[in-house]
Amino acid sequence: DSGVTQTPKHLITATGQRVTLRCSPRSGDLSVYWYQQSLDQGLQFLIQYYNGEERAKGNILERFSAQQFPDLHSELNLSSLELGDSALYFCASSGSSGVYNEQFFGPGTRLTVL
Amino acid sequence: DAKTTQPPSMDCAEGRAANLPCNHSTISGNEYVYWYRQIHSQGPQYIIHGLKNNETNEMASLIITEDRKSSTLILPHATLRDTAVYYCIPLSSGSARQLTFGSGTQLTVLP
Repeated sequence: DSGVTQTPKHLITATGQRVTLRCSPRSGDLSVYWYQQSLDQGLQFLIQYYNGEERAKGNILERFSAQQFPDLHSELNLSSLELGDSALYFCASSGSSGVYNEQFFGPGTRLTVL
Repeated sequence: DAKTTQPPSMDCAEGRAANLPCNHSTISGNEYVYWYRQIHSQGPQYIIHGLKNNETNEMASLIITEDRKSSTLILPHATLRDTAVYYCIPLSSGSARQLTFGSGTQLTVLP
Protein backbone atom coordinates (compact mmCIF):
# COMPACT_ATOMS: atom_id res chain seq x y z
CA ASP A 1 0.00 0.00 0.00
CA SER A 2 1.65 3.20 -1.23
CA GLY A 3 -0.55 5.51 0.83
CA VAL A 4 -1.94 7.16 -2.31
CA THR A 5 -5.63 6.61 -2.91
CA GLN A 6 -7.53 7.01 -6.15
CA THR A 7 -11.24 6.89 -6.82
CA PRO A 8 -13.04 5.43 -8.57
CA LYS A 9 -11.21 2.21 -9.44
CA HIS A 10 -13.20 1.69 -12.59
CA LEU A 11 -15.21 4.08 -14.72
CA ILE A 12 -17.25 3.23 -17.79
CA THR A 13 -18.75 6.07 -19.76
CA ALA A 14 -19.76 7.09 -23.25
CA THR A 15 -18.08 9.27 -25.84
CA GLY A 16 -18.69 12.97 -25.35
CA GLN A 17 -19.13 12.67 -21.60
CA ARG A 18 -17.14 14.30 -18.80
CA VAL A 19 -15.59 12.50 -15.81
CA THR A 20 -13.59 13.45 -12.73
CA LEU A 21 -10.87 11.30 -11.26
CA ARG A 22 -9.80 11.92 -7.69
CA CYS A 23 -6.48 11.41 -5.93
CA SER A 24 -5.44 11.74 -2.30
CA PRO A 25 -1.66 11.92 -1.86
CA ARG A 26 0.42 10.41 0.93
CA SER A 27 0.36 12.35 4.14
CA GLY A 28 2.99 15.09 3.97
CA ASP A 29 3.53 14.93 0.20
CA LEU A 30 3.10 18.28 -1.52
CA SER A 31 3.62 17.16 -5.12
CA VAL A 32 0.97 15.33 -7.09
CA TYR A 33 1.47 13.92 -10.58
CA TRP A 34 -0.97 12.46 -13.09
CA TYR A 35 0.05 9.82 -15.62
CA GLN A 36 -1.86 8.07 -18.38
CA GLN A 37 -1.15 4.51 -19.46
CA SER A 38 -2.68 3.29 -22.67
CA LEU A 39 -1.80 0.17 -24.64
CA ASP A 40 -0.22 2.03 -27.53
CA GLN A 41 1.41 4.95 -25.70
CA GLY A 42 2.79 3.41 -22.55
CA LEU A 43 3.08 5.44 -19.36
CA GLN A 44 2.95 9.17 -20.10
CA PHE A 45 3.19 12.13 -17.77
CA LEU A 46 0.25 14.50 -17.92
CA ILE A 47 0.64 17.20 -15.27
CA GLN A 48 2.21 17.99 -11.90
CA TYR A 49 1.02 20.15 -9.03
CA TYR A 50 3.02 21.34 -6.07
CA ASN A 51 1.21 22.70 -3.03
CA GLY A 52 -1.74 23.85 -5.10
CA GLU A 53 0.19 25.35 -8.00
CA GLU A 54 0.73 23.83 -11.42
CA ARG A 55 4.42 22.91 -11.68
CA ALA A 56 4.84 21.07 -14.98
CA LYS A 57 2.79 20.00 -17.95
CA GLY A 58 3.35 17.03 -20.18
CA ASN A 59 1.27 15.55 -22.97
CA ILE A 60 -2.04 16.69 -21.57
CA LEU A 61 -4.84 17.39 -24.01
CA GLU A 62 -6.75 20.66 -23.86
CA ARG A 63 -9.88 18.63 -23.07
CA PHE A 64 -8.19 17.55 -19.83
CA SER A 65 -7.65 19.74 -16.80
CA ALA A 66 -6.53 19.24 -13.24
CA GLN A 67 -6.31 21.04 -9.95
CA GLN A 68 -4.92 20.55 -6.49
CA PHE A 69 -6.98 21.71 -3.56
CA PRO A 70 -5.87 23.27 -0.24
CA ASP A 71 -6.09 19.88 1.47
CA LEU A 72 -3.67 18.67 -1.27
CA HIS A 73 -6.01 16.21 -2.91
CA SER A 74 -6.16 16.51 -6.67
CA GLU A 75 -8.74 15.98 -9.37
CA LEU A 76 -8.26 15.25 -13.06
CA ASN A 77 -11.15 16.31 -15.25
CA LEU A 78 -11.58 14.69 -18.65
CA SER A 79 -14.19 16.15 -20.98
CA SER A 80 -15.58 15.47 -24.45
CA LEU A 81 -14.32 11.94 -24.04
CA GLU A 82 -13.19 9.94 -27.05
CA LEU A 83 -12.62 6.22 -27.48
CA GLY A 84 -8.86 6.85 -27.41
CA ASP A 85 -9.07 8.25 -23.89
CA SER A 86 -9.66 4.75 -22.57
CA ALA A 87 -6.65 4.06 -20.36
CA LEU A 88 -5.34 3.58 -16.86
CA TYR A 89 -4.85 6.89 -15.08
CA PHE A 90 -2.35 6.94 -12.24
CA CYS A 91 -1.80 9.55 -9.64
CA ALA A 92 1.50 9.75 -7.78
CA SER A 93 2.77 11.89 -4.95
CA SER A 94 6.18 12.78 -3.61
CA GLY A 95 7.99 15.04 -1.20
CA SER A 96 8.05 13.56 2.26
CA SER A 97 10.12 10.40 1.84
CA GLY A 98 13.48 12.17 1.85
CA VAL A 99 14.36 10.74 -1.55
CA TYR A 100 14.14 13.15 -4.46
CA ASN A 101 11.95 11.77 -7.21
CA GLU A 102 10.72 8.81 -5.21
CA GLN A 103 7.14 8.91 -6.35
CA PHE A 104 4.45 6.83 -4.73
CA PHE A 105 1.79 5.68 -7.14
CA GLY A 106 -1.84 4.97 -6.46
CA PRO A 107 -3.65 1.88 -7.75
CA GLY A 108 -5.01 3.76 -10.75
CA THR A 109 -8.41 4.44 -12.26
CA ARG A 110 -9.33 2.35 -15.28
CA LEU A 111 -11.39 4.45 -17.67
CA THR A 112 -13.33 2.79 -20.44
CA VAL A 113 -15.02 5.00 -23.02
CA LEU A 114 -17.65 3.24 -25.11
CA ASP B 1 16.73 13.88 -20.05
CA ALA B 2 18.93 11.16 -21.48
CA LYS B 3 17.50 8.42 -23.69
CA THR B 4 17.68 4.82 -22.52
CA THR B 5 17.88 1.40 -24.14
CA GLN B 6 16.69 -1.70 -22.32
CA PRO B 7 16.12 -5.22 -23.61
CA PRO B 8 12.38 -5.75 -24.14
CA SER B 9 12.24 -8.98 -22.16
CA MET B 10 14.27 -11.29 -19.93
CA ASP B 11 13.65 -14.52 -18.06
CA CYS B 12 15.15 -15.55 -14.76
CA ALA B 13 14.83 -18.71 -12.68
CA GLU B 14 13.30 -18.29 -9.25
CA GLY B 15 15.98 -17.95 -6.58
CA ARG B 16 18.64 -16.84 -9.03
CA ALA B 17 19.95 -13.32 -9.47
CA ALA B 18 18.25 -11.20 -12.10
CA ASN B 19 20.54 -8.73 -13.83
CA LEU B 20 18.72 -6.06 -15.81
CA PRO B 21 20.88 -3.83 -18.01
CA CYS B 22 20.22 -0.29 -19.16
CA ASN B 23 22.16 1.79 -21.62
CA HIS B 24 22.08 5.55 -21.04
CA SER B 25 25.07 6.72 -23.05
CA THR B 26 23.82 10.32 -23.32
CA ILE B 27 23.38 10.80 -19.59
CA SER B 28 24.61 14.15 -18.32
CA GLY B 29 26.71 14.78 -15.26
CA ASN B 30 23.88 15.85 -12.99
CA GLU B 31 21.47 13.04 -13.94
CA TYR B 32 20.85 10.25 -11.53
CA VAL B 33 19.71 6.82 -12.70
CA TYR B 34 16.39 5.81 -11.17
CA TRP B 35 14.81 2.39 -11.41
CA TYR B 36 11.10 1.74 -11.09
CA ARG B 37 9.04 -1.35 -11.74
CA GLN B 38 5.42 -1.99 -12.58
CA ILE B 39 3.78 -5.23 -11.65
CA HIS B 40 0.94 -5.97 -14.05
CA SER B 41 -1.44 -2.97 -14.17
CA GLN B 42 -0.45 -1.80 -10.69
CA GLY B 43 1.06 1.61 -10.05
CA PRO B 44 4.82 1.78 -10.64
CA GLN B 45 7.06 1.32 -7.63
CA TYR B 46 10.39 3.00 -6.86
CA ILE B 47 13.28 0.57 -6.45
CA ILE B 48 16.59 2.40 -6.19
CA HIS B 49 18.64 5.24 -7.63
CA GLY B 50 22.27 6.27 -7.93
CA LEU B 51 24.63 8.82 -9.42
CA LYS B 52 28.00 7.13 -9.88
CA ASN B 53 28.63 4.88 -6.90
CA ASN B 54 27.10 1.45 -6.58
CA GLU B 55 24.04 1.43 -4.37
CA THR B 56 22.23 -1.26 -2.42
CA ASN B 57 18.98 -1.31 -0.50
CA GLU B 58 16.61 -3.95 0.75
CA MET B 59 15.14 -4.48 -2.70
CA ALA B 60 18.06 -4.43 -5.08
CA SER B 61 21.59 -3.38 -5.99
CA LEU B 62 22.53 -0.87 -8.65
CA ILE B 63 25.83 -1.04 -10.48
CA ILE B 64 26.77 2.01 -12.57
CA THR B 65 29.76 1.83 -14.90
CA GLU B 66 32.61 4.22 -14.31
CA ASP B 67 31.80 6.18 -17.48
CA ARG B 68 28.12 6.24 -16.37
CA LYS B 69 26.95 5.18 -19.82
CA SER B 70 25.22 2.09 -18.54
CA SER B 71 23.92 0.50 -15.38
CA THR B 72 22.66 -2.86 -14.15
CA LEU B 73 19.90 -3.48 -11.66
CA ILE B 74 20.44 -6.66 -9.68
CA LEU B 75 17.70 -8.52 -7.85
CA PRO B 76 19.83 -10.95 -5.83
CA HIS B 77 17.27 -13.73 -5.30
CA ALA B 78 14.39 -13.28 -7.70
CA THR B 79 10.96 -14.50 -6.67
CA LEU B 80 7.77 -14.96 -8.70
CA ARG B 81 6.55 -11.65 -7.24
CA ASP B 82 9.42 -9.86 -9.00
CA THR B 83 7.80 -10.53 -12.38
CA ALA B 84 7.21 -7.00 -13.66
CA VAL B 85 8.26 -4.38 -16.20
CA TYR B 86 11.43 -2.63 -15.03
CA TYR B 87 12.17 0.94 -16.09
CA CYS B 88 15.50 2.73 -16.03
CA ILE B 89 14.99 6.52 -15.86
CA PRO B 90 17.75 9.14 -15.92
CA LEU B 91 16.65 12.21 -14.03
CA SER B 92 18.30 15.45 -13.02
CA SER B 93 18.86 16.12 -9.37
CA GLY B 94 17.06 18.88 -7.58
CA SER B 95 13.39 19.45 -7.07
CA ALA B 96 10.79 16.82 -7.78
CA ARG B 97 10.30 16.15 -11.45
CA GLN B 98 8.05 14.07 -13.61
CA LEU B 99 9.19 10.61 -14.67
CA THR B 100 9.67 9.76 -18.33
CA PHE B 101 9.00 6.06 -18.80
CA GLY B 102 10.47 4.26 -21.79
CA SER B 103 9.53 0.78 -22.89
CA GLY B 104 11.27 -0.99 -20.01
CA THR B 105 12.20 -4.65 -19.65
CA GLN B 106 9.58 -7.29 -18.98
CA LEU B 107 11.20 -9.59 -16.43
CA THR B 108 9.56 -12.98 -16.06
CA VAL B 109 10.66 -15.07 -13.10
CA LEU B 110 10.14 -18.75 -13.86
CA PRO B 111 9.42 -21.39 -11.20
